[in-house]
Amino acid sequence: GAVVSQHPSRVICKSGTSVKIECRSLDFQATTMFWYRQFPKQSLMLMATSNEGSKATYEQGVEKDKFLINHASLTLSTLTVTSAHPEDSSFYICSAGGPGGSPLHFGNGTRLTVT
Amino acid sequence: DAKTTQPPSMDCAEGRAANLPCNHSTISGNEYVYWYRQIHSQGPQYIIHGLKNNETNEMASLIITEDRKSSTLILPHATLRDTAVYYCIVRAPAQGGSEKLVFGKGTKLTVNP
Repeated sequence: GAVVSQHPSRVICKSGTSVKIECRSLDFQATTMFWYRQFPKQSLMLMATSNEGSKATYEQGVEKDKFLINHASLTLSTLTVTSAHPEDSSFYICSAGGPGGSPLHFGNGTRLTVT
Repeated sequence: DAKTTQPPSMDCAEGRAANLPCNHSTISGNEYVYWYRQIHSQGPQYIIHGLKNNETNEMASLIITEDRKSSTLILPHATLRDTAVYYCIVRAPAQGGSEKLVFGKGTKLTVNP
């Protein structure tokens, strides 16, 4: 089945620094990937849609200059949290769809802690 | 996308069937019903999806009512490892995997020994 790999699984960074999270589709090509954020005891919130070869589409209220998304190839999308602050601490999850309209599959998430 | 309504929590005894309901009364004709689950601190896991007919796979069965306004996910023999938050999502499929999923609050299923 379709496999989505996310790296790193955990990261701790200092306030003001930037953090990059990678999302890879391992056995299929994904022209579209999605990035979600999840705070404790809450549901997943869609942040943006990552489109291969073009600009990402951000959901309302998500700052595009803070959460930089790059989808440079059909198997890799990256999310960079710039100038991270403690309130950016969260669980970030990516997803991608396999070919032929098959269901979306999710990475195992990245736990970001900003100190 | 059509909204879904799920009970916030349910309990089930280990070894028994777990039946998780979902209401989607405003579902459109081309929208599928998807079920995912999320075990603590992991990414969501795809379980099953369907349009009109009942579906079964190695993980679960999906029963969709004839009017498609509600559905039930059935885990036939629940184990402790099935404890998770279960999400019912309604969405029209798009080509090339471009269909985004909007998550509600889901049902927290606790399987008890």
